[in-house]
Amino acid sequence: QKEVEQNSGPLSVPEGAIASLNCTYSDRGSQSFFWYRQYSGKSPELIMSIYSNGDKEDGRFTAQLNKASQYVSLLIRDSQPSDSATYLCAVNKWRNAGKSTFGDGTTLTVKP
Amino acid sequence: DAGVIQSPRHEVTEMGQEVTLRCKPISGHDYLFWYRQTMMRGLELLIYFNNNVPIDDSGMPEDRFSAKMPNASFSTLKIQPSEPRDSAVYFCASKTDRLNYGYTFGSGTRLTVV
Repeated sequence: QKEVEQNSGPLSVPEGAIASLNCTYSDRGSQSFFWYRQYSGKSPELIMSIYSNGDKEDGRFTAQLNKASQYVSLLIRDSQPSDSATYLCAVNKWRNAGKSTFGDGTTLTVKP
Repeated sequence: DAGVIQSPRHEVTEMGQEVTLRCKPISGHDYLFWYRQTMMRGLELLIYFNNNVPIDDSGMPEDRFSAKMPNASFSTLKIQPSEPRDSAVYFCASKTDRLNYGYTFGSGTRLTVV
């Protein structure tokens, strides 16, 4: 079992819909959670971080964390074609604050 | 802040040649990471440094790969000799030592070994 698992996709949603990206992790010592967006041919870019159970909203993006169930999700409201990218989930642990463990990513396509 | 700076952006070399990739992290960041990304294997951690000291190099594929960080503002990843299977995009990233902070990635170096 991988430490961080994501649905590989691809995930396809119509423009204007809500895209839901999910990530599960195996280590209960995980404390910080991150979502990166990577456009084709570009480097990953940090778009959301969350540390406490519940929701965190930033514009059209909402990160949700449930430590009891060991999952973190990213919701994208009013999806736009410009949101088409690969989304990487990453996790930090208390005992190694520097290093993140990445999932393999979910590729999202938003169709006009 | 100029972000994490990598050079070169593209490198095409012949098999057997030495390749050196360079990275300048964000000033004040304590950690520096080297990743390799391919379609088949995704994002792989090769090695990372904390305060210029290598912490974990278990991801380095073999002895042909070496990395150094002589000071807080510069790191190199060297491949000698290079092979076609080393063709990939190599990313450098840096971060602070704060648990709740994520990475800043450089733009990457696309390496092609022919």
